[in-house]
Parts: sequence; C-alpha cells; structure tokens
Amino acid sequence: EPEVTQTPSHQVTQMGQEVILRCVPISNHLYFYWYRQILGQKVEFLVSFYNNEISEKSEIFDDQFSVERPDGSNFTLKIRSTKLEDSAMYFCASSEARLAGVETQYFGPGTRLLVL
Amino acid sequence: QQQVKQSPQSLIVQKGGISIINCAYENTAFDYFPWYQQFPGKGPALLIAIRPDVSEKKEGRFTISFNKSAKQFSLHIMDSQPGDSATYFCAASYIPGTASKLTFGTGTRLQVTL
Repeated sequence: EPEVTQTPSHQVTQMGQEVILRCVPISNHLYFYWYRQILGQKVEFLVSFYNNEISEKSEIFDDQFSVERPDGSNFTLKIRSTKLEDSAMYFCASSEARLAGVETQYFGPGTRLLVL
Repeated sequence: QQQVKQSPQSLIVQKGGISIINCAYENTAFDYFPWYQQFPGKGPALLIAIRPDVSEKKEGRFTISFNKSAKQFSLHIMDSQPGDSATYFCAASYIPGTASKLTFGTGTRLQVTL
C-alpha cells in the first residue's frame, strides 16, 4: 500500500540553525500539507500546497518557514532560523483529487524536531 | 470559530465495552468530518469519516453519529479491544477552493483494559 514517507525521523538542532524536513508524498496525490504536533497537544495545520504554490497557511507559518516541491516527488519544509518553540513532531500529509466532496489526507510517520 | 472541541481528554474502557468520544464544532462551513487514530510515535491514520448529508456511518466496530443541528458528532467503538488503545482525534474541514486543511480536536487518549 502506498504511503507517505518522511526523513529524517529525528532531528536535533541548535537554536538559530536552519533545518529542512523532507517528505515523499504518495505518487498520484496532488495536495500536500504540513502539520505539527507539540508533545501531548493536538495536531495543528501549518500549510497546504497545490499546483506548485501555497494554497493556505496558518499564523504559525511565518517568514521563517518555507515549503518547496523541488523535483516533482519530494516536498520539503524549511525552517530558516529555528527557535526553541519549534520543537515538535512535524507531519507531512498528501491527498489525491477530491472525489464526491471527500478528501482523505494520508499522514507520514513524522519527523521529531528538537531545538536546543 | 475554527475550533473543534473534543471530550473526554482520556477514557478507560473495559474490553468488550463501548467507547464514546464526542466533538463539537462552530463553523457551519465545515462539510467533512474525519476521525483519526494515532499510536505512539506514529502519524495519524484515517479511521472513518462522514459528510453532513448523513446522520450515521458505520464501518465494522466503528460508528460516527452526526447531529448537524447541534453541530456535534461522535465516535462509537463497539466491543472495544486492547488493540484500540490509542489517541483519537476528531477533525473537520471544508473545501474553499484548492486544498482543505484539517482542524483537529484536542484528542482523546483511550485505554482499553482487559
């Protein structure tokens, strides 16, 4: 069964450093998302991406964040200058074209980011 | 208005019992309500979902009940099993154009005891 994959599974970085989180969505999917989950809290939307541009972003997704689909298969989230509060599990998700008003988002296993 | 409220925060059910998790929303534009199951260290996985044109959807031991007028929906797990022990998130989305973000509830940690 196709699945969303993410690398790395864990990332430890120093405050102020740049990190890039990588995702490989399911191959025929068209919509891509990043969510994050701070330990013990709910999953929060960061950004959605369709047709090579951002569709929507949350207030969390400030100028320090960017997304890219560099080669038609990978989908990346970059944090330019990490802060302590960026420590969280980051999930990539993807979905295919909407069918009958239903859009199932499939989540990857996540990257646990720890900022020291 | 974008919030989805979920209760209870945690739930302990005996094996064979019924687990019930409730969610409420405010935004009447929401038109898709999935439930996700998450095991420790894993990403959320879709369990079951409903659209507001039906009041109930059943898949195996899992049932969603939907009350559009009250803006509430709930997950019922019949014959709960220890393998159901996980965190359950309700979510809601609407489709404004090209992509639809999921707004998640705060999660319910379910423990099914022997």
